[in-house]
Amino acid sequence: DSGVTQTPKHLITATGQRVTLRCSPRSGDLSVYWYQQSLDQGLQFLIQYYNGEERAKGNILERFSAQQFPDLHSELNLSSLELGDSALYFCASSPDGKYGYTFGSGTRLTVV
Amino acid sequence: KNQVEQSPQSLIILEGKNCTLQCNYTVSPFSNLRWYKQDTGRGPVSLTIMTFSENTKSNGRYTATLDADTKQSSLHITASQLSDSASYICVVSENSGNTPLVFGKGTRLSVIA
Repeated sequence: DSGVTQTPKHLITATGQRVTLRCSPRSGDLSVYWYQQSLDQGLQFLIQYYNGEERAKGNILERFSAQQFPDLHSELNLSSLELGDSALYFCASSPDGKYGYTFGSGTRLTVV
Repeated sequence: KNQVEQSPQSLIILEGKNCTLQCNYTVSPFSNLRWYKQDTGRGPVSLTIMTFSENTKSNGRYTATLDADTKQSSLHITASQLSDSASYICVVSENSGNTPLVFGKGTRLSVIA
């Protein structure tokens, strides 16, 4: 157990729907990152939060949004889902955004 | 554009053999370089992390090297085991450390009996 908890582990939904992925960082970590990994592709950075505020933005679609709550857990919202959104979504956390990145085990999203 | 290139894309070796994976990067200014192991369908797990002043770092049978001048790194796996079968990902961070990591696409290693 890495200490980073992602739920759910698997999610199957239909095109056009909206889903929410949840991430609880390691205790004490202030920074949360979201990544998307499509089949046989590298990890693509989506967005970073640090202590509740957005710190950096990557290739995140306008249909996607995220937030980090006061208790530091984070949610990634995916709407108007398309088949191409099927992927593994990873959350990572770090104490200060510099070192000690720890990844969760991911949420596998399947859009049918 | 900051990039991380890994080679080979995939590799098959016999159990017990050694292998070396390569990573070239253009990330600048450079902060640190990490190697991760990712089992299929699982989250990446950190193997090593090196700053620009470190040339080598070991973690059991895994030894990473870094040449910050040529912007190259390698991961050497000694006496491979079946459980080493995974993707090995090279990740580079910019100097500020607050910016996102730049990921390579990984090398898919298969160790066979």
